[in-house]
Amino acid sequence: GAGVSQSPSNKVTEKGKDVELRCDPISGHTALYWYRQSLGQGLEFLIYFQGNSAPDKSGLPSDRFSAERTGGSVSTLTIQRTQQEDSAVYLCASSFTGRQPQHFGDGTRLSIL
Amino acid sequence: DAKTTQPNSMESNEEEPVHLPCNHSTISGTDYIHWYRQLPSQGPEYVIHGLTSNVNNRMASLAIAEDRKSSTLILHRATLRDAAVYYCILRDGWTSYDKVIFGPGTSLSVIP
Repeated sequence: GAGVSQSPSNKVTEKGKDVELRCDPISGHTALYWYRQSLGQGLEFLIYFQGNSAPDKSGLPSDRFSAERTGGSVSTLTIQRTQQEDSAVYLCASSFTGRQPQHFGDGTRLSIL
Repeated sequence: DAKTTQPNSMESNEEEPVHLPCNHSTISGTDYIHWYRQLPSQGPEYVIHGLTSNVNNRMASLAIAEDRKSSTLILHRATLRDAAVYYCILRDGWTSYDKVIFGPGTSLSVIP
């Protein structure tokens, strides 16, 4: 069956531009997480969705970052006015419920020039 | 968060079994032991999880000590594709959701 799909797989953009990252979770998974991973570093939690609601946004680094989820399925992470420190791999994970094992996509590698 | 400790790196020969240890001496009664791995340039991959009893699935086996203060991930026959960083984490089974927070993990090298 299909796993978690993220697009684009790579994104290079200029500092100051806005970017949108997309995540298609596994069908039927109600929980969706966004993380980011800098080179050689661990996972940094960004936001958690249960259905279309985001009960935990505590990991969003600044108000330039926002995310939404529609129809209990696809989620979009938006970064406005990108900065060089935003360069990282952005990972999406989904799980059947919030407690179940998380299944990750392969991420979007974001590079800010 | 409860912590786990793992060796930084391990080596195995191809087609031999691999035993990856994890210590979690402060584990609570509601904590599940989860293992993930991350291959180069890929997202993390769920491997297995358990609470008290040993668990088997198509990827690996998980052996949990009787006092639950340690566990071992067993790959029965290592292949080159198993070269990855392996993460052992604890996740509270009572919360409605739980973030995945990895430590440094164990970097497994498989020698052909």
